[in-house]
Amino acid sequence: AQSVTQLDSQVPVFEEAPVELRCNYSSSVSVYLFWYVQYPNQGLQLLLKYLSGSTLVKGINGFEAEFNKSQTSFHLRKPSVHISDTAEYFCAVSGNNFNKFYFGSGTKLNVKP
Amino acid sequence: ETGVTQTPRHLVMGMTNKKSLKCEQHLGHNAMYWYKQSAKKPLELMFVYSLEERVENNSVPSRFSPECPNSSHLFLHLHTLQPEDSALYLCASSLSAASGGPGSYNEQFFGPGTRLTVL
Repeated sequence: AQSVTQLDSQVPVFEEAPVELRCNYSSSVSVYLFWYVQYPNQGLQLLLKYLSGSTLVKGINGFEAEFNKSQTSFHLRKPSVHISDTAEYFCAVSGNNFNKFYFGSGTKLNVKP
Repeated sequence: ETGVTQTPRHLVMGMTNKKSLKCEQHLGHNAMYWYKQSAKKPLELMFVYSLEERVENNSVPSRFSPECPNSSHLFLHLHTLQPEDSALYLCASSLSAASGGPGSYNEQFFGPGTRLTVL
């Protein structure tokens, strides 16, 4: 079975500061990892994904994430956040059956001026 | 219209009402999904349709009844709901895993959701 843990339900940060949103997963099979963002009153939008290859993945809006197999983590980072990054971020894992995604409970990023 | 659309965006219903949620995708996909998003809980996968056939049903109560008449449309029929069913219901679509072959990847595209309140 697969599962995803996002330990931080809320992360407050000041504008232009760096941020890291944590994601840990458990899986007994090869995994594919994703970060989605949800802006208010909208659906989920894919930020980035790890399928194979380089463990450092770059996504949209200046975000990046690093796959760490030994620590079973896929933390999301951005060196300098903007007010417009205020949203909820979801980590997800999928196995060989790509039609089944397991999502974490989400982390609300609140960027303050 | 582009992407994945959902109607209505907001719905308030009593426990004895019958209503339906609609999802439509304009992406040429052949797999569609219903998710339930409750506050402070992970997204819960409710139903998966692949090539118009239901392939996943995660022990969802029978008061939720999905329908997929073709690859572009997905419905969620609701009847005799409970207040705890109040949530954001998200629809998503993708290419079916079966379409892409071994090792292929099929990103899920989400609609904006229907905010359901059961009184």
